[in-house]
Amino acid sequence: GNSVTQMEGPVTLSEEAFLTINCTYTATGYPSLFWYVQYPGEGLQLLLKATKADDKGSNKGFEATYRKETTSFHLEKGSVQVSDSAVYFCALKSSGDKLTFGTGTRLAVRP
Amino acid sequence: DVKVTQSSRYLVKRTGEKVFLECVQDMDHENMFWYRQDPGLGLRLIYFSYDVKMKEKGDIPEGYSVSREKKERFSLILESASTNQTSMYLCASSLNLGWEQYFGPGTRLTVL
Repeated sequence: GNSVTQMEGPVTLSEEAFLTINCTYTATGYPSLFWYVQYPGEGLQLLLKATKADDKGSNKGFEATYRKETTSFHLEKGSVQVSDSAVYFCALKSSGDKLTFGTGTRLAVRP
Repeated sequence: DVKVTQSSRYLVKRTGEKVFLECVQDMDHENMFWYRQDPGLGLRLIYFSYDVKMKEKGDIPEGYSVSREKKERFSLILESASTNQTSMYLCASSLNLGWEQYFGPGTRLTVL
């Protein structure tokens, strides 16, 4: 079946540091890949997505590239802000299937 | 602006009580979902519905039921609440299965 593995948190960074949150997946077929973000006290919201190999999703300074050869979709940001403190979820959808979420990675950014 | 609302942000119930969690979306979406979110386990799908009066089991349906009488409303029912159902419950909706899901703010349920 489908599965998503994320690096365990929490990840603690200073403001303006570089961020990487690793995500790898197992799926049949050619899945679409997503990153969702959950700010404190809120529900999840879509951050970015990629629907085919080598696609790069980007939003709010975050980027992730769909790497089929390594089955990965790592989230990166060049310079994090305190306001980026949240929980980040990697997710996938393969044809005819529902979304499968990873366990989430908490990011804490210090001023 | 898209909106998914949940009836309560916090709820405290006693073991054995019947619990209703309500979710309403205003986007005319076909699909609605109920998840529970637990530390270290991420989001797990309880039930989803792809049309009025239609429902399908997700990964962890035991101890739960759902109701969808109107397109905009999807209810999660705990027939007899137990302490292991203490969790954050998230409702979501989407236009098509597997596409962007819009989430509500969540209901944190505590069962004593």
